[in-house]
Amino acid sequence: DAKTTQPNSMESNEEEPVHLPCNHSTISGTDYIHWYRQLPSQGPEYVIHGLTSNVNNRMASLAIAEDRKSSTLILHRATLRDAAVYYCILRDVYNQGGKLIFGQGTELSVKP
Amino acid sequence: DAGVIQSPRHEVTEMGQEVTLRCKPISGHNSLFWYRQTMMRGLELLIYFNNNVPIDDSGMPEDRFSAKMPNASFSTLKIQPSEPRDSAVYFCASIPGLAAYNEQFFGPGTRLTVL
Repeated sequence: DAKTTQPNSMESNEEEPVHLPCNHSTISGTDYIHWYRQLPSQGPEYVIHGLTSNVNNRMASLAIAEDRKSSTLILHRATLRDAAVYYCILRDVYNQGGKLIFGQGTELSVKP
Repeated sequence: DAGVIQSPRHEVTEMGQEVTLRCKPISGHNSLFWYRQTMMRGLELLIYFNNNVPIDDSGMPEDRFSAKMPNASFSTLKIQPSEPRDSAVYFCASIPGLAAYNEQFFGPGTRLTVL
C-alpha cells in the first residue's frame, strides 16, 4: 500500500468546519482513498472513501485533488464528539486482502 | 446487528500465562482481521482470514501468537506464554467482501495487560 502523510494534530472550534489534509504523492490509479477515525477508547470506524471524484455522506465529505496526490476530509460542523484520531489510508483495488495499513493519523481536538 | 463482538473487554494476567482473545464477526462477513494497538507501534495488522482460512499472518510477532477461525462466526487469538510486551489493545474487524472499497467494521477491542 502507498504511504500517506498527515499532520500529527489539529484543533478546531465546535460548530466550525474542519479540513483534514492528507498527502499521497505516490498514489496509483488503482488506489482507493479511505478515511477512518478512532474515538477515545474505541475501535476505528469507517468515515468515507473515494477513488477519483469528491464524495459526500452523512458523516463527512471527501475532496480529492485533480491529480489525486492529495485529499481533504471535511467535517462541515465539528462537534465535541468528532474529537478523534483520523486516519487516511490507501487501498489498492487489486488488494484482495482488504487489509488496512494504518499510519499515525491526525489527532483532532475540538474546543467548545 | 450487534456488530463485531470481542471478549473479554479487559484481561489482566501474569507473565507466562496463556491468554485467549475471542471474536465474533458480523454475520455474513467472510473476512476477519486481528489488529494490535500500542502507543509505540500504533495500529498494526497481525493476521487475517478469508472464508475461515488464514491468508496473511506476516504480522504475527512470533510463535507465541496463534490464531484460529474454526467457523464463520468465531475466531480466537492465543498468546502462549504471554509477556509484558504483549500488553496492548487487540482489535478484531470483519468485512463483507475483499473488494478494496469495502469498509471494515471493528470491534470494541480487548485491553490486555500482562504483569
